[in-house]
Amino acid sequence: GEDVEQSLFLSVREGDSSVINCTYTDSSSTYLYWYKQEPGAGLQLLTYIFSNMDMKQDQRLTVLLNKKDKHLSLRIADTQTGDSAIYFCAERSVLGTALIFGKGTTLSVSS
Amino acid sequence: DSGVTQTPKHLITATGQRVTLRCSPRSGDLSVYWYQQSLDQGLQFLIQYYNGEERAKGNILERFSAQQFPDLHSELNLSSLELGDSALYFCASSVELAGNEQFFGPGTRLTVL
Repeated sequence: GEDVEQSLFLSVREGDSSVINCTYTDSSSTYLYWYKQEPGAGLQLLTYIFSNMDMKQDQRLTVLLNKKDKHLSLRIADTQTGDSAIYFCAERSVLGTALIFGKGTTLSVSS
Repeated sequence: DSGVTQTPKHLITATGQRVTLRCSPRSGDLSVYWYQQSLDQGLQFLIQYYNGEERAKGNILERFSAQQFPDLHSELNLSSLELGDSALYFCASSVELAGNEQFFGPGTRLTVL
């Protein structure tokens, strides 16, 4: 079955780059997502990538996909205190509609 | 603001009771999804409706049911509530049946005492 794994915590200093990692198991063509959840708030869609792509960049965010290892990463450049949140990796098979989420990575940014 | 609205924001009730959570999708979105976020299970997909019809089912208990109305808003009904049902319930919407982008509402926090 489908499974998404993430490390639980990451701590960085303001101005550094953050890299949040995720592994997935779906072997079919799939969409891979990054969502952000701030305390007491819903999930904000940050970006997504289709599994036939290697990379996607959107301002400070860079998504890298290693299809062979089924490894996805989210890099946040020039991390700010406002980036402190829980980041969820999710996958969706092209054959399905539901998002399968990882447990989330708590990013803590210190000044 | 994603454009998805959910009411109420908080709900406190007792075991054995029944509650209804409401979701209004973004304007123009035909698909509505319900997810449950709990400490032990994480974020889990419950059910999806598209244009009024049930289209996909996940880990939804038999005590739970949902529907989507002609105006496309959706309701999630939770009955015979147990302590373990305490969680954040999110609604998401997308334009298509298998939408590339699912936009989430702010959630309803349910506390069962």
